[in-house]
Amino acid sequence: QVQLKESGPGLVQPSQTLSLSCTVSGFSLSSYSVHWVRQHSGKSLEWMGRVWSDGHTSYNSAFTSRLSISRDTSKSQVFLKMNSLQTADTGTYYCARSFLSGYWNVMDAWGQGTSVTVSS
Amino acid sequence: DIQLTQSPASLSASLGETVSIECLVSEDISNDLAWYQQKSGKSPQLLIYAARRLQDGVPSRFSGSGSGTRYSLKISGLQPEDEAGYFCLQKHKYPWTFGGGTKLELK
Repeated sequence: QVQLKESGPGLVQPSQTLSLSCTVSGFSLSSYSVHWVRQHSGKSLEWMGRVWSDGHTSYNSAFTSRLSISRDTSKSQVFLKMNSLQTADTGTYYCARSFLSGYWNVMDAWGQGTSVTVSS
Repeated sequence: DIQLTQSPASLSASLGETVSIECLVSEDISNDLAWYQQKSGKSPQLLIYAARRLQDGVPSRFSGSGSGTRYSLKISGLQPEDEAGYFCLQKHKYPWTFGGGTKLELK
């Protein structure tokens, strides 16, 4: 059974760094890509970036220079780090998997999401 | 970035009705479009990929169509469990972008 589960601090102070983890099961990070997507208060979704099966990454330029995505295949975990947080970064953060290419290069399984509030 | 304009933003319909949601894209994305359903407090679930391919396990009352810059999701014979938000996603170019969403309410 494919599962992804996000975890994180819940509350982050402005200007600080957000660190989230996504623990996966039921599939291998060596065969799939994992994405991070965020959502503000039930509104639309924003794709942040992805880590490929070989460890390379692709980012949304809206987050370039403050976003980093990495993985530890031995622990089946993917990580998100984003610095210089502002209140506009408050929202729910999801990790989701996709295959690497073709039709199936689409996010077909998502975690439950983790809520992040940026506030002092 | 590629822009996706979804319409309508909200929709109210009765059980058994057929509804359509449209996604207009700012450039040709060659059918690299997916549709997601998101129920309240839950994560998005993939319904349709490659514009018209039904994800495994999704009821056949959901269907996708379109090409180029215009795509649609149709739900035939609405069921109570279809009350949810619906989003389109383009994966033709980075960054992947989503439509603004459609909130479907059952009367």
